[in-house]
Amino acid sequence: KAGVTQTPRYLIKTRGQQVTLSCSPISGHRSVSWYQQTPGQGLQFLFEYFSETQRNKGNFPGRFSGRQFSNSRSEMNVSTLELGDSALYLCASSASQTPGELFFGEGSRLTVL
Amino acid sequence: QQQVKQSPQSLIVQKGGISIINCAYENTAFDYFPWYQQFPGKGPALLIAIRPDVSEKKEGRFTISFNKSAKQFSLHIMDSQPGDSATYFCAAGADNYGQNFVFGPGTRLSVLP
Repeated sequence: KAGVTQTPRYLIKTRGQQVTLSCSPISGHRSVSWYQQTPGQGLQFLFEYFSETQRNKGNFPGRFSGRQFSNSRSEMNVSTLELGDSALYLCASSASQTPGELFFGEGSRLTVL
Repeated sequence: QQQVKQSPQSLIVQKGGISIINCAYENTAFDYFPWYQQFPGKGPALLIAIRPDVSEKKEGRFTISFNKSAKQFSLHIMDSQPGDSATYFCAAGADNYGQNFVFGPGTRLSVLP
């Protein structure tokens, strides 16, 4: 069974640009969550999608958005990038609607210059 | 109230020793407490998880101890091995929060051969 796949793995952007990150969950998993990981703030929840609907959202500005497609694949977008957006963005899929095991991808490392 | 505190920040243990990592939470709505292990360049992976209806759960060399009244839980790694050297995160979730977990800041464990 293939794991969670995130693309791209690495990317460099400049301030003010926007970025789109993609996530393919484990087959059969309908829940996809996104987390931001930084050395200073650790792992912080961005949002969760289940069956194309956003179920939960963390405390991030509106520049951070996401969506989920009918095949459960998900994308997140960050507009008007700031230096502080440099981070590892992790996607996780789950088979459960209630709190359960998260299967994380290896992440997309974003550097904003 | 949403914060999960974790200590120590780093831990060095001799091979064969016991590694102990502690976490504390404030939000009494939390009812699911997983521990994740993360190796460099990889996403976190679930080690073991517990719900507050039990005080201890053991899986192989890994044990979670849970103290509901103190709102504390800990991870014990018995017979620690160099391959256990990684960063460990405790987390807390609740049924109403879906896959929105609050993670502790992490503990970097080094097991010396």
